[in-house]
Amino acid sequence: EAGVTQFPSHSVIEKGQTVTLRCDPISGHDNLYWYRRVMGKEIKFLLHFVKESKQDESGMPNNRFLAERTGGTYSTLKVQPAELEDSGVYFCASSQDTGIGGYTFGSGTRLTVV
Amino acid sequence: RKEVEQDPGPFNVPEGATVAFNCTYSNSASQSFFWYRQDCRKEPKLLMSVYSSGNEDGRFTAQLNRASQYISLLIRDSKLSDSATYLCAVNRVAPGAGSYQLTFGKGTKLSVIP
Repeated sequence: EAGVTQFPSHSVIEKGQTVTLRCDPISGHDNLYWYRRVMGKEIKFLLHFVKESKQDESGMPNNRFLAERTGGTYSTLKVQPAELEDSGVYFCASSQDTGIGGYTFGSGTRLTVV
Repeated sequence: RKEVEQDPGPFNVPEGATVAFNCTYSNSASQSFFWYRQDCRKEPKLLMSVYSSGNEDGRFTAQLNRASQYISLLIRDSKLSDSATYLCAVNRVAPGAGSYQLTFGKGTKLSVIP
């Protein structure tokens, strides 16, 4: 079974540019999550999809971040325009159930905004 | 006060030693508990869930004390390959969202020395 796949693995962009991160969950997993780790801080929740619906987006930092999951399969997270403080590692995770039993994480996208 | 707190370490121990990590959480509504292992520049990987009755997986033993809101991880007979950062995580229902949200500690770094 393929795991959670994220693309790209690394991205370096200039402040003000746009970046789109992609996550392919484990096949059949309705629940998809985005998390972020900023340097020196703990991993923090961003949002949770159930199929194509946003179940919880309470962790999204501001309206420069837009997440979509059209068709309930893969998800994208767009940052527009990127700011320096957006640098960090963005992890995606998926689960078949509600997530109470823990998740499987993807290898992450390391975003550097310069 | 952070929702999940861990001693950041580092813990430097010789091979074969026993090492214990502790974690406290502040939200009494937390429902499930985990230890994740994260290698340098990699994604967090679920090491084990933590149950009130205590659970063991080979050299690893996890314990949960709900009354004290405290989680522990014990590693016996440490191996060089155990060197990593160990993340404590708690799962709770996000207010108003009806879905689970995982909250991580910053992690405890372990280095096992030959």
